[in-house]
Amino acid sequence: DAKTTQPNSMESNEEEPVHLPCNHSTISGTDYIHWYRQLPSQGPEYVIHGLTSNVNNRMASLAIAEDRKSSTLILHRATLRDAAVYYCILRRGSTLGRLYFGRGTQLTVWP
Amino acid sequence: DTAVSQTPKYLVTQMGNDKSIKCEQNLGHDTMYWYKQDSKKFLKIMFSYNNKELIINETVPNRFSPKSPDKAHLNLHINSLELGDSAVYFCASSQDPGTANTEAFFGQGTRLTVV
Repeated sequence: DAKTTQPNSMESNEEEPVHLPCNHSTISGTDYIHWYRQLPSQGPEYVIHGLTSNVNNRMASLAIAEDRKSSTLILHRATLRDAAVYYCILRRGSTLGRLYFGRGTQLTVWP
Repeated sequence: DTAVSQTPKYLVTQMGNDKSIKCEQNLGHDTMYWYKQDSKKFLKIMFSYNNKELIINETVPNRFSPKSPDKAHLNLHINSLELGDSAVYFCASSQDPGTANTEAFFGQGTRLTVV
């Protein structure tokens, strides 16, 4: 499975934008880039996903590099509730829906 | 209305016992999964079922036996519990597992403690 690399931790102040990076230099042409997050004592929660183009939804934006070897999850205005572990995961159809989680990035949001 | 629900939320049991965790999804998805999150917070896929049929077993010991009475339910039975089975177990579901263009929905987890 294609591997992703994320910083272990990041910090932000409340109401500031947060840019969470992810490197995936071995990504294949059919791999989708997915982001999930896990809030304390909860199950993982889907955030956003994309293939080539940048994506926006109500939770976040996903910026994908032109060569697709990296991506950035953007939280436009961090809130205390956004403090979580964020996982960047590559998914391909052959994995039959399985998600392979790495260590993710622990995001701390300061009031 | 909870999309993926698991019961119980907490389970404390002695070594050697047999226990079950139940999972139900009301999303109409065809595929359900079990994941295990260990004490170091590493989250790993265990099983996936599609339309009540096992499609993936990620080298999980055969003391773990998932059972799917219908496509909305996937229960996890664990026999002869060991200390190392202590973890948080998450159920999940998704549609169209053969495509990578869908998201998965997770339950809130069951914290299993074996003493």
